Amino acid sequence: AQSVSQHNHHVILSEAASLELGCNYSYGGTVNLFWYVQYPGQHLQLLLKYFSGDPLVKGIKGFEAEFIKSKFSFNLRKPSVQWSDTAEYFCAVNGGYSSASKIIFGSGTRLSIRP
Amino acid sequence: GAGVSQSPSNKVTEKGKDVELRCDPISGHTALYWYRQSLGQGLEFLIYFQGNSAPDKSGLPSDRFSAERTGGSVSTLTIQRTQQEDSAVYLCASSSEGGLGYTFGSGTRLTVV
Repeated sequence: AQSVSQHNHHVILSEAASLELGCNYSYGGTVNLFWYVQYPGQHLQLLLKYFSGDPLVKGIKGFEAEFIKSKFSFNLRKPSVQWSDTAEYFCAVNGGYSSASKIIFGSGTRLSIRP
Repeated sequence: GAGVSQSPSNKVTEKGKDVELRCDPISGHTALYWYRQSLGQGLEFLIYFQGNSAPDKSGLPSDRFSAERTGGSVSTLTIQRTQQEDSAVYLCASSSEGGLGYTFGSGTRLTVV
């Protein structure tokens, strides 16, 4: 069965620090990978996605993620965080060649940025 | 519509009562999903519709939960005889085939007292 692990439950950083949030998944076949973000009081938004091609994916607001197939990982990175990046971040995966099948989400990582 | 619309945004109900949650997906999106987000938890998959049929309802936690979708559009999630553990934010999302990932609604916060 598909599963997603996010090992960091709560990360606290100062502004301008670099960010890396870990995500590992369990799935044997072709996967589509996603990072979603939920800002305080707002609904979930897609940050970036990987379907195929270049394993380094760039998303909105300066975020990027790298798909490493051999490690079953899809870590999220940002070189310099801002206070406005305070949010909850969810890694997610679905299998197959379409994004229309169900997506399995990790338990989320809460990111707090100290101004 | 421009986004996924859910109603009501907040619902407080007494234990034992039935509730109905509504989701209006993005026009033309054939796939519709229900998730539940409890405090401090990730997103728990409940059910997925493709058109009006539900190929995967494996996440429904008990037979008190049911969902339907009519006309390939609006979906309702019904919880019968609500329990306190049903308190959560119920999220709906829709997507089209081929590829952009889900678009989520803002959710319905259900509180069972």
